[in-house]
Amino acid sequence: KAGVTQTPRYLIKTRGQQVTLSCSPISGHRSVSWYQQTPGQGLQFLFEYFSETQRNKGNFPGRFSGRQFSNSRSEMNVSTLELGDSALYLCASSLDSLKETQYFGPGTRLLVL
Amino acid sequence: AQTVTQSQPEMSVQEAETVTLSCTYDTSESDYYLFWYKQPPSRQMILVIRQEAYKQQNATENRFSVNFQKAAKSFSLKISDSQLGDAAMYFCASSNTGKLIFGQGTTLQVKP
Repeated sequence: KAGVTQTPRYLIKTRGQQVTLSCSPISGHRSVSWYQQTPGQGLQFLFEYFSETQRNKGNFPGRFSGRQFSNSRSEMNVSTLELGDSALYLCASSLDSLKETQYFGPGTRLLVL
Repeated sequence: AQTVTQSQPEMSVQEAETVTLSCTYDTSESDYYLFWYKQPPSRQMILVIRQEAYKQQNATENRFSVNFQKAAKSFSLKISDSQLGDAAMYFCASSNTGKLIFGQGTTLQVKP
C-alpha cells in the first residue's frame, strides 16, 4: 500500500496570507490527524477527522481549520499567517486513531516571512 | 491531562552496543496506548514500537524492545546491536483519545 502523502512538501508565505495543506491517507484509513512540529513547542496535536467529522481538536486558535472529504483526504487551512506559524506540519492516518496506530506522512515545511 | 516526559535530550551509543531511552508518562486513564516513533533527518516519523497498556507483556520488534512499568508509568526503549541507521530523534508518545501526546524527544547518536 502507498503511504501517507502530503502536498506541498515546502511552502513559503508572507504574514497575513492564508495557506492550504493537503493530506492523502493510506488506502482504507478513515482517520486523519494533523500535528504541528516546532523547535520550541515540539509536536502538538491540531485536530483529527474521522469519516468527514472533526472528532478531536487541540488548543490552537480558530485560524487553524480543516476538513475531510468523502475519500478520506484531508486539508488543513491556516488563515492570516503569523511568523510563529512557521513549522513542519505532519499528517497521520489510521484505521481509527482511538485504537489503531497512526502512520505519518513526510510533512509540509511552512516558512512564513 | 496526559503528559509525556523524556529526560534525556541527547544520548550516544557505540555501534553494535545497546542503549536505553527513557520515558515517563502521566495519565488518569486505564486504557491507553504507548508508542515510540523515530524521526531521522528526513523528518519522516516512523513507528518503532507500540504497547497496549492492558498487556503486561513487553512489546518487541526485532532489535527494539520496551520495558513497560505500568505502576511506575515508565516506558523505556531498548535498542540492541545499534546500527548507524538508528541515529535519529526518538519520540515517546501516549494516546487514549486518538490524540498523540509526545515527549520532547531524545536525539540518538551512533558512533562507528
